[in-house]
Amino acid sequence: DAKTTQPPSMDCAEGRAANLPCNHSTISGNEYVYWYRQIHSQGPQYIIHGLKNNETNEMASLIITEDRKSSTLILPHATLRDTAVYYCIVEGMGGGADGLTFGKGTHLIIQP
Amino acid sequence: DTGVSQDPRHKITKRGQNVTFRCDPISEHNRLYWYRQTLGQGPEFLTYFQNEAQLEKSRLLSDRFSAERPKGSFSTLEIQRTEQGDSAMYLCASRRTGGNEQYFGPGTRLTVT
Repeated sequence: DAKTTQPPSMDCAEGRAANLPCNHSTISGNEYVYWYRQIHSQGPQYIIHGLKNNETNEMASLIITEDRKSSTLILPHATLRDTAVYYCIVEGMGGGADGLTFGKGTHLIIQP
Repeated sequence: DTGVSQDPRHKITKRGQNVTFRCDPISEHNRLYWYRQTLGQGPEFLTYFQNEAQLEKSRLLSDRFSAERPKGSFSTLEIQRTEQGDSAMYLCASRRTGGNEQYFGPGTRLTVT
């Protein structure tokens, strides 16, 4: 079973920041938080991952709470192309080296 | 830089027929994964290879399913005696040694009629 809980869907206006929450209350000390997204009819795409510090790359920022029981993926300036299903995944170092465990994710819809 | 490719992209078959899908990973990625995704669900892990060795199989992988990666490069997934419940998107992913990300192909959509 997936170790994360995400809202099934969210809306965000184009140009605004999209904040996607994820609960992972049973995360263990050596597990990372990974985010992938899946645009309709495509394979999933890696976005970002982190252990306990906040992380930022060219796609997004990841904010992990101090107790590590939840995190938020931030898309700073959402565009229509960011409409996708976003998956929050908890895995050990190596990013699911033995296979990723996906939940149902959050369907993010960017509104024009 | 070529990504992961899968062939065919779509396959329609009749119940009881055998089908085979191919996945070409990113060059020099030694881990290759197969997933299955049904409508409205996230991908489910099926099996993975480290080079040519198949290291793990999910209980979802019934004995009608077989996967190979004979030379540690491309991989094939065969489904024998297809059933309507096999209708799904079959995704392939690859990962380099020490990497954190899996790179996914576009998938093969199987429809069993």
